[in-house]
This record gives sequence, C-alpha cells and structure tokens, in this order.
Amino acid sequence: EIVLTQSPGTLSLSPGERATLSCRASQSVSSSYLAWYQQKVGQAPRLLIYGASSRATGIPDRFSGSGSGTDFTLTISRLEPEDFAVYYCQQYGRSQYTFGQGTKLEIK
Amino acid sequence: EVQLVESGGGLVQPGGSLRLSCAASGFTVSSNYMSWVRQAPGEGLEWVSVIYSGGSTYYTDSVKGRFTISRDNSKNTLYLQMNSLRADDTAVYYCARDRSNYWYFDLWGRGTLVTVSS
Repeated sequence: EIVLTQSPGTLSLSPGERATLSCRASQSVSSSYLAWYQQKVGQAPRLLIYGASSRATGIPDRFSGSGSGTDFTLTISRLEPEDFAVYYCQQYGRSQYTFGQGTKLEIK
Repeated sequence: EVQLVESGGGLVQPGGSLRLSCAASGFTVSSNYMSWVRQAPGEGLEWVSVIYSGGSTYYTDSVKGRFTISRDNSKNTLYLQMNSLRADDTAVYYCARDRSNYWYFDLWGRGTLVTVSS
C-alpha cells in the first residue's frame, strides 16, 4: 500500500503570500493518479488538481500542481481569504485510493 | 443538476447495522466508478470502498467482511451496507464519483453522519 505523507501539518501565512504544500509518496506514483482537494469546515472536499498538474473546472489559476515520482507540490501563488482550509493529496493504485493526512492552511 | 445526496446515517449501537444510500442525479451511477469515503470527527479523509462500472468491488482492509457496496441501476442509487459496526466506524460518510479510469473524485455528496455508540 502506498502511503502519502503531507507536510507541513499546519502552514500559517497571510493573505497575498505564496503557499507551498508537499505530498510525498512511499513508492513512485504515476502522475496521472495524483490529485489535490480543498476542504473547508463543514463542507465536502472539492477537487482542485488532477493528473498532478491539471486544474479542475472552475479552479482559479493561482492554484498549480507539480511533481512526479514520489514528490508532488501544490502551490497557491497569492493567498486569498477563501483559500484558508485543509488540503489533501490523493493517489490511486492497485484498486485502492489513498489520501494524505492533510495540511491545514491557516491565517497568520 | 449533477449531484449526489447521501442518507441513512444515524446513531447505532456497537455490533449493529446500517445501510447508507447515495442518490445520484444528472448522470448514471452504473457508468462511473463510485466510492464511499469517510471522515472521522476531526480527522482526515479515508477511502472505504469502490464499485466499478463493471460491477467489481474493493474495500479498505478495516471494513472487509463487514461492509458491502452495491448499486441499484433502476434507482440510480449507490448503497453501503455496514454490519458489525464499531466505535471507530464513527464518521461522516461521503459518496464520490470517479468518472471511470480518471482515478480522482470530481463530484462529492454532502455526507451523512454515522455515530456508533452505546
């Protein structure tokens, strides 16, 4: 089973700053199978990025994804107030989906 | 409108059973890979089970032998039968769509809360 480890656990930044969130896999992951989600309190997750770097429909271009192999990154170029939330990476392999433990992005 | 609506959650005693439903609209459940994903209070997301468009089913290890995923094509509805429930099954249960061979979830329901407690 592939384990996804996200870092940092909590990231404290101010609006307008750049956020860099990491997702590291215990084994190599196909870029096609790596996605990122945003979840706000009391809401369902929302797909942000799929295929490691493709933005989902309606996602602003300040969100970008990159990486390959075992190291993937979600970058938010200039934080807006509505971006403060929890972010999860997710991968698929051998008929199993797995999520990272999440990174909480909080207002500094 | 394309959406998923879960129902069936509630309070159940340890060892009890519950069946969750997820009604889909705006698309066909049987043409997609449909999953259940849960989230324990204050915790992260955990994938539970998937049913592929061809009917194959898979489960996370902790629920194998206790949970069963199924669908009713005539009702365009996904189900999760949960037996032998334990306290650590307490969570919000979401149904989610993977549009077959995409390997990510592009549509989520709002979730239904299952509480296992005496």
